[in-house]
Amino acid sequence: QVQLVQSGAEVKKPGASVKVSCKASGYTFTDAYIHWVRQAPGHGLEWMGCINPHNGDTYYSETFQGRVTLTRDTSISTAYMELSSLRSDDTALYYCARARSFDPWGQGTLVTVSS
Amino acid sequence: IVMTQTPLSLSVTPGQGASISCKSSQSLLHTDGKTYLYWFLQKPGQSPQLLISEVSKRFSGVPDRFSGSGSGTDFTLKISRVEAEDVGVYYCMQSMRVLPAFGGGTKVEIK
Repeated sequence: QVQLVQSGAEVKKPGASVKVSCKASGYTFTDAYIHWVRQAPGHGLEWMGCINPHNGDTYYSETFQGRVTLTRDTSISTAYMELSSLRSDDTALYYCARARSFDPWGQGTLVTVSS
Repeated sequence: IVMTQTPLSLSVTPGQGASISCKSSQSLLHTDGKTYLYWFLQKPGQSPQLLISEVSKRFSGVPDRFSGSGSGTDFTLKISRVEAEDVGVYYCMQSMRVLPAFGGGTKVEIK
């Protein structure tokens, strides 16, 4: 079945960067965009950006433009989200999701930013 | 595009119906003729899961008590007979444009 499996929880200090991975299986990786979504504690869903795994084209939310970088490695069907200059309010669950229909979603990766 | 959901929360008696509204700031009708409006349910402690795609298409395995309707800028998710397993936060989302956007969410709880 189609599945997205994300890397494990991270704890980072303010100012550092974090890189979260999202490994796809059950379909042709290059056939569908991968989106990244943030959910701060007790809050809703916030779209961060997406990548076309076929050619590497990326699109970013203005909110995260300049701080987020999306990449992919087609050889291992994995997408990556790197967020830099971390602040305490970046503490959140980060999800990847497949295609325009956002189906399925990864299990989420908790990133905690604390000094 | 801004997505506005109402109400913020609903408390429903099991077996009763529920309705959630989602309004977009622009029409979600794409030039390809499709309307890219989706509904998701995030159950407590879980990732969001797709319920409805393109306004009214129930995703595989979604019970038929869930239905979506609407057009242009106004959309509705209806649950005909709420069950205990339906609790969680419901989100609408548009992906008509390359930059998708979510509604703020509607929390559904059981009385």
